[in-house]
Amino acid sequence: DAKTTQPPSMDCAEGRAANLPCNHSTISGNEYVYWYRQIHSQGPQYIIHGLKNNETNEMASLIITEDRKSSTLILPHATLRDTAVYYCIVRIKIKAAGNKLTFGGGTRVLVKP
Amino acid sequence: NAGVTQTPKFRVLKTGQSMTLLCAQDMNHEYMYWYRQDPGMGLRLIHYSVGEGTTAKGEVPDGYNVSRLKKQNFLLGLESAAPSQTSVYFCASGRSSGSSETQYFGPGTRLLVL
Repeated sequence: DAKTTQPPSMDCAEGRAANLPCNHSTISGNEYVYWYRQIHSQGPQYIIHGLKNNETNEMASLIITEDRKSSTLILPHATLRDTAVYYCIVRIKIKAAGNKLTFGGGTRVLVKP
Repeated sequence: NAGVTQTPKFRVLKTGQSMTLLCAQDMNHEYMYWYRQDPGMGLRLIHYSVGEGTTAKGEVPDGYNVSRLKKQNFLLGLESAAPSQTSVYFCASGRSSGSSETQYFGPGTRLLVL
């Protein structure tokens, strides 16, 4: 699996967009980019994933660069409840091996009022 | 639809005792996983299962055993607990969609081994 690099922490103002970067320069053509978050003491929560195209759902948007070497998770209107550790994970799914996720350090996001 | 549930939520063990953690999912997922998370660290995979009756080792399997007798349940066993196994244990189940998979996590079991 490709290695990912994220800033260790960032602050965001409530109501503003939060842009979380992730570098994955060694990503291969069939690896997906996943984003999960973990709110304090809770289990990780799936946010979004993508392969090549930009993706959007009710929680966030995922922007993947054309060369796929980096991506940005966008929380359009951050709320205090978005304070969490955000993990960017690159993974290829292998049917016989499941989809083992490798969690790195993540980005600790603090949304301030 | 309860999603992924874990039993118990919290447990204190003495060194050498045994216990079983239960994970149940009602989403008919094929894949199930057990992770552990130590303070300030990311999750590490202990064991996983790609279907009923099959299990495989993850990154940190030593000291743990698992069983998946029913599709909806995945059990994690500690035969002889050690203080190094003090951690928060998360179970997850996976939904496959084409070439990608989304995992859904339970609320965690906090284990303290004295």
